[in-house]
Amino acid sequence: ETGVTQTPRHLVMGMTNKKSLKCEQHLGHNAMYWYKQSAKKPLELMFVYSLEERVENNSVPSRFSPECPNSSHLFLHLHTLQPEDSALYLCASSQDNNPGGGWMGSNTEAFFGQGTRLTVV
Amino acid sequence: GIQVEQSPPDLILQEGANSTLRCNFSDSVNNLQWFHQNPWGQLINLFYIPSGTKQNGRLSATTVATERYSLLYISSSQTTDSGVYFCAVENQAGTALIFGKGTTLSVSS
Repeated sequence: ETGVTQTPRHLVMGMTNKKSLKCEQHLGHNAMYWYKQSAKKPLELMFVYSLEERVENNSVPSRFSPECPNSSHLFLHLHTLQPEDSALYLCASSQDNNPGGGWMGSNTEAFFGQGTRLTVV
Repeated sequence: GIQVEQSPPDLILQEGANSTLRCNFSDSVNNLQWFHQNPWGQLINLFYIPSGTKQNGRLSATTVATERYSLLYISSSQTTDSGVYFCAVENQAGTALIFGKGTTLSVSS
């Protein structure tokens, strides 16, 4: 496989369920991201991992819990979600050429997975 | 934080027409990408273009970093070009891409 792969593609879950979204990248990148896209809204950054360390948490509720066990895999654990959390969740990866440096221009081109369309009922 | 504005928000074209999509950003950037989101939600990379001009078939893009804008040109549009076009720039922390609201393009035959 090549690129960025997300599973599952579709997920329907109840508000009391616990589920996980999975993302895997085969590009040799060291940075991975979760974005949320709600209907009729732009993509919102949720989490950023560089070298398996979380470098940004964009004020996301604690019912979303990310995990990055290695540079190729990223998970988003979901629990006690609300109907308004229904959205398209997109994973991306890029190469951070200056990990921890925090200066602009250190990331190369980002590539996205196909997304997981989540419906909370 | 950095602001990204895209125009127009919606665009309706007949097949074969040309179009220009614009992306303005509020601060200097080193990374800028254009994406096409297809009806299934997949974001397709079009251009990685922090500055200068690039061409790929019927599409081309120009970024004038000093004036804080980028343009995406679509020539001889086809129905398969329909979808949402996003511009994204790297945030000021240098950690991730920030997206504009997109331009929704509809091409009819």
